[in-house]
Amino acid sequence: MQLLESGGDLVQSGGSLRLSCAASGFTFSTYAMSWVRQAPGKELEWVSTFTGSGSRNTYYADSVKGRFTISRDNSKSTLYLQMNSLRAEDTATYYCARILWFKEPMGWFDSWGQGALVTVSS
Amino acid sequence: EIVLTQSPGTLSLSPGERATLSCRASQSVSSNSLAWYQQKPGQAPRLLIYGASSRATGFPDRFSGSGSGTDFTLTISRLEPEDFAVYYCQQYGSSIPLTFGGGTKVEIK
Repeated sequence: MQLLESGGDLVQSGGSLRLSCAASGFTFSTYAMSWVRQAPGKELEWVSTFTGSGSRNTYYADSVKGRFTISRDNSKSTLYLQMNSLRAEDTATYYCARILWFKEPMGWFDSWGQGALVTVSS
Repeated sequence: EIVLTQSPGTLSLSPGERATLSCRASQSVSSNSLAWYQQKPGQAPRLLIYGASSRATGFPDRFSGSGSGTDFTLTISRLEPEDFAVYYCQQYGSSIPLTFGGGTKVEIK
């Protein structure tokens, strides 16, 4: 299976950006998918999750709630992250990851993309 | 929110030595809902352990996870050159947010 992120860029503070994650090698629609980010030299931070298998529940970290929107297009096997009102502290590599449920919305990440770098200049 | 504290921050060891990494939770992690990831420089994290002790596909049995409640351990029985990396723990037993520890870097002594 493969996850391939795109859309990372340099953007000014207050600006917007949309990340995409193209999935292949598995039945995308049946899996929940997440975004996880990592600021330069820092630890991992869960950002958002979109459920799979027909349900359309979304979950967000408090740090991005109201600014970021996760979505998916199962016909294109693609996950998205729309990021608005970007701040310098949003600067990070954003990873797309498949999440396996322990119990919705909690789970572990069994496959990761290579990441997309988002840099927000102030 | 469950806070995970990993120790030590850096572990300097030689190939062939045993590595013991700790992950301590600020409150009990239900049902041993803890995962470990390995991350090498410039690469994405890779799932290593889930359910506190179940090894993911592709990792040899020199890697083992243990623990329960608030204290978890990742052990590498004999370090190989490819094992030098940063290791993160992650809990998924409580309500969101899903949280990660700060990481332990295993470096060559």
